[in-house]
Amino acid sequence: QKEVEQDPGPLSVPEGAIVSLNCTYSNSAFQYFMWYRQYSRKGPELLMYTYSSGNKEDGRFTAQVDKSSKYISLFIRDSQPSDSATYLCAMSVIQGAQKLVFGQGTRLTINP
Amino acid sequence: DAGITQSPRHKVTETGTPVTLRCHQTENHRYMYWYRQDPGHGLRLIHYSYGVKDTDKGEVSDGYSVSRSKTEDFLLTLESATSSQTSVYFCAISRDTLYEQYFGPGTRLTVT
Repeated sequence: QKEVEQDPGPLSVPEGAIVSLNCTYSNSAFQYFMWYRQYSRKGPELLMYTYSSGNKEDGRFTAQVDKSSKYISLFIRDSQPSDSATYLCAMSVIQGAQKLVFGQGTRLTINP
Repeated sequence: DAGITQSPRHKVTETGTPVTLRCHQTENHRYMYWYRQDPGHGLRLIHYSYGVKDTDKGEVSDGYSVSRSKTEDFLLTLESATSSQTSVYFCAISRDTLYEQYFGPGTRLTVT
């Protein structure tokens, strides 16, 4: 079993819809949770990060962490065609490690 | 893009030949990473460096070696390339915080 599980999709929604992307994990030591966005043929770019549990909002994006369920989510409101990309979740333990564990990514398409 | 370049961007090589990929940064960041990205596996860490001549293994280090003789350059070497090493290779850098990794544009390697 992988440490981090992410549905690869593909996920296709109409413009303006609310998108929900999710990851589950098995390592309870994870403390930092991140979402990266990767456009086709490009490197990933950090979108949001959250420490421990709770919510974090940045414009149309909201990241949620539920450590009791080992479940994290990224919500995109008022989705735009420019949001079409692959979204990867990533996690790390709090100390001593310089290693991120990534999910396999969810391919998202926003249809105009 | 952060000041990260990778070379070459595309390479086709034959099984058994040595291959070296180069990552160059202009940000003077301490940490540098090599990942590979494959369908169904997401991004997996190969090796990372926490300073000049200081390196450590990642999740999938077998068959790979690295060197860092200058802050700005991190080399990944496949001593004897195999078809299983066909992948897209990404270099990343970070100043000190693990989660804020900035990725390069990637190198697409095909081993025939």
